[in-house]
Amino acid sequence: DAKTTQPPSMDCAEGRAANLPCNHSTISGNEYVYWYRQIHSQGPQYIIHGLKNNETNEMASLIITEDRKSSTLILPHATLRDTAVYYCIVRTGNQFYFGTGTSLTVIP
Amino acid sequence: DAGITQSPRHKVTETGTPVTLRCHQTENHRYMYWYRQDPGHGLRLIHYSYGVKDTDKGEVSDGYSVSRSKTEDFLLTLESATSSQTSVYFCAISGPEQTQYFGPGTRLLVL
Repeated sequence: DAKTTQPPSMDCAEGRAANLPCNHSTISGNEYVYWYRQIHSQGPQYIIHGLKNNETNEMASLIITEDRKSSTLILPHATLRDTAVYYCIVRTGNQFYFGTGTSLTVIP
Repeated sequence: DAGITQSPRHKVTETGTPVTLRCHQTENHRYMYWYRQDPGHGLRLIHYSYGVKDTDKGEVSDGYSVSRSKTEDFLLTLESATSSQTSVYFCAISGPEQTQYFGPGTRLLVL
């Protein structure tokens, strides 16, 4: 049972911000939200994670709503190399539950 | 890739034969995981380990066994491979903050 819901696909123009939404309406208070991406058939790559505060690192920003039922991953200046499948994941204890992700295509 | 290697990277085998996949880490992390990925699905957890000789089942553990005799190696065994086990298998490790880091994957084809 996937704990997250994401749109199956999105497009973004190169150089623009990519905003990837995720719904996790059943998240509980101690569950973290993680974002990973997978390019072609490589192993998933960690991007960012958070509990309730917004987070930013060198790759992206994570915005979590106050009720924690949804979040948005922001890639501030998308490049062609950001074309990938992006997974929003809720961590329960030591286990990650992957959904089917969002296939992001960055268009030149 | 965070000091994780998987072997073999590709394997073709026949139905009914045993297969063992190896995951090796150089990070000395406590937790190790095996996932499978199939078309139309995200990654699904098969088994995980929380220490030497300590393992537990994930959501798709039927038909798989694991062993961990030392910190750096986590083995996944298909005792008698079936065509439904054709998949891409990923190993992952996680440290104190529970962020998981993934290996490059093993493509297994069962004929």
